[in-house]
Amino acid sequence: DAGVTQSPTHLIKTRGQHVTLRCSPISGHKSVSWYQQVLGQGPQFIFQYYEKEERGRGNFPDRFSARQFPNYSSELNVNALLLGDSALYLCASSKGNTGELFFGEGSRLTVL
Amino acid sequence: GEDVEQSLFLSVREGDSSVINCTYTDSSSTYLYWYKQEPGAGLQLLTYIFSNMDMKQDQRLTVLLNKKDKHLSLRIADTQTGDSAIYFCAEIYTGGFKTIFGAGTRLFVKA
Repeated sequence: DAGVTQSPTHLIKTRGQHVTLRCSPISGHKSVSWYQQVLGQGPQFIFQYYEKEERGRGNFPDRFSARQFPNYSSELNVNALLLGDSALYLCASSKGNTGELFFGEGSRLTVL
Repeated sequence: GEDVEQSLFLSVREGDSSVINCTYTDSSSTYLYWYKQEPGAGLQLLTYIFSNMDMKQDQRLTVLLNKKDKHLSLRIADTQTGDSAIYFCAEIYTGGFKTIFGAGTRLFVKA
């Protein structure tokens, strides 16, 4: 069975641009969460979606947005990129509303 | 507040036991987790413990929970070079919609 897949794996953007990151959860998982991991730190919670509804949002500015589609895949959008947005963006899926998360390999974003 | 704290580094010799410690703040957490991250990869769930348990053993892994002190530990028996990675302690926040991670403990295993 396929695990959580994320795309793209690596990308480079310049300040002010926007980015869209994509995630496909494990088949049967209805919840998708997004985390930002800055080098040397633990993942920081950005969003959780369950059954296409936003269930939680972390302490991130409105430049960050996300959505979940009917097939439970998800997109994370970041507008007006800043240098500090450079990080590994991790998507995780779970069967329900629990912390038993299954992570993808991440999308590494570099903002120049 | 939300905070999970871990020591940043641990170095052990191959074959020894490793003990990684963690403290957390949310006393109402129902689940506590240990995740492993290898270089360039996402996180992998290693094990978890319910808050009404004191100990859980899973092959070479032993998790100890002290709810009074809000202290969680992960013991890896017979540590191997393949265990070298970053280990994250995590708690599920009240409401269940987010998981709070520590900064991670980098485990170095010397042959």
